[in-house]
Amino acid sequence: DVKVTQSSRYLVKRTGEKVFLECVQDMDHENMFWYRQDPGLGLRLIYFSYDVKMKEKGDIPEGYSVSREKKERFSLILESASTNQTSMYLCASSFDRYSNQPQHFGDGTRLSIL
Amino acid sequence: KNEVEQSPQNLTAQEGEFITINCSYSVGISALHWLQQHPGGGIVSLFMLSSGKKKHGRLIATINIQEKHSSLHITASHPRDSAVYICAVSGGYQKVTFGTGTKLQVIP
Repeated sequence: DVKVTQSSRYLVKRTGEKVFLECVQDMDHENMFWYRQDPGLGLRLIYFSYDVKMKEKGDIPEGYSVSREKKERFSLILESASTNQTSMYLCASSFDRYSNQPQHFGDGTRLSIL
Repeated sequence: KNEVEQSPQNLTAQEGEFITINCSYSVGISALHWLQQHPGGGIVSLFMLSSGKKKHGRLIATINIQEKHSSLHITASHPRDSAVYICAVSGGYQKVTFGTGTKLQVIP
């Protein structure tokens, strides 16, 4: 079974802090994704990656950056946290970009910015 | 960009009832996904389909490509089915667009 692990379930940070959210998958998947989920808006794609050291902007990349130094790990960085970044963050992975396999999700990190 | 609409947004059912959740999308797709999210956040994939019908236990998913419409059915609903059900569509290269979800509550 694919396991996608997010480093924290709950996180509280202060405005202006640099925040790191970590995600690790154990199935050698090529694709990794970061989403945020807000009530009434559904999941929105922040960034994704098809390979190590490769990243692509999603629909709402502003205020975020990512890092993928190793295949199994995809980090989301909030450079200077703001209150409008309070949200549920979900990481996902999938086999590759061609085979149309389902995405596997982590349990989510509920981030509060005070 | 694909638009994904789900209905209803909220649904309350009595245990044992037959439940239908609908999903419509605006642009041709390579696959449609049904996902389940329980309170607490974790999302699991229930079905991925590109044509016809799939069944898993009490869950049935259908898709009509010409009408750009899919339905998720739950037979003999149970309180443990209470969750948010999310429809999502994928075009090329794993870019996925998600609906806003249907919150289902099944009452004993």
